[in-house]
Amino acid sequence: NAGVTQTPKFRILKIGQSMTLQCTQDMNHNYMYWYRQDPGMGLKLIYYSVGAGITDKGEVPNGYNVSRSTTEDFPLRLELAAPSQTSVYFCASSYTGTGAGNYGYTFGSGTRLTVV
Amino acid sequence: KQEVTQIPAALSVPEGENLVLNCSFTDSAIYNLQWFRQDPGKGLTSLLLIQSSQREQTSGRLNASLDKSSGRSTLYIAASQPGDSATYLCAVKLNSGNTPLVFGKGTRLSVIA
Repeated sequence: NAGVTQTPKFRILKIGQSMTLQCTQDMNHNYMYWYRQDPGMGLKLIYYSVGAGITDKGEVPNGYNVSRSTTEDFPLRLELAAPSQTSVYFCASSYTGTGAGNYGYTFGSGTRLTVV
Repeated sequence: KQEVTQIPAALSVPEGENLVLNCSFTDSAIYNLQWFRQDPGKGLTSLLLIQSSQREQTSGRLNASLDKSSGRSTLYIAASQPGDSATYLCAVKLNSGNTPLVFGKGTRLSVIA
């Protein structure tokens, strides 16, 4: 069971370039999330999705876009990369049912992005 | 707005010591609380999940407690080992709907052999 898989693990972008961070989960979780983690700042929510076809903004959505066409995939798009988007990006998913694991989060291993 | 605070920001202990990490949150009406471990350059690994109706959860040498009324949770690590060295993050979920987790900034733990 792979869990949450993120690609790529590392990327360097030039200012103004665009890219898509990929995220796939195989646990049939309906909720998925994108966070960014900056040194000393904790994790901040960028976007989240409660199911295929439904997305919503988090705390820091500016400069990003997402889509959720399937339950498994939740890509994050950067259209015009800026140095302020240098960060580590984490994708996560959660289970929303009954039982002890309800709403427990599973994280991917992260994508380290540098914009120069 | 829910805020999560973790104190101390960093902690260094000798191997074998029992230790407690603290987490506090401003809104006591939480749905659940989750403790994570993060190794340098790695993702987050879930350690323990406590639902609002529970007082504690245990996994091996780890025990997490929850006191909703006072807005506090503690993570107790027994007989610490150098392999426990990592950053420990606390996160709370406000309700059962689509509100996401709110994270603390973590406690960086170093266990010295």
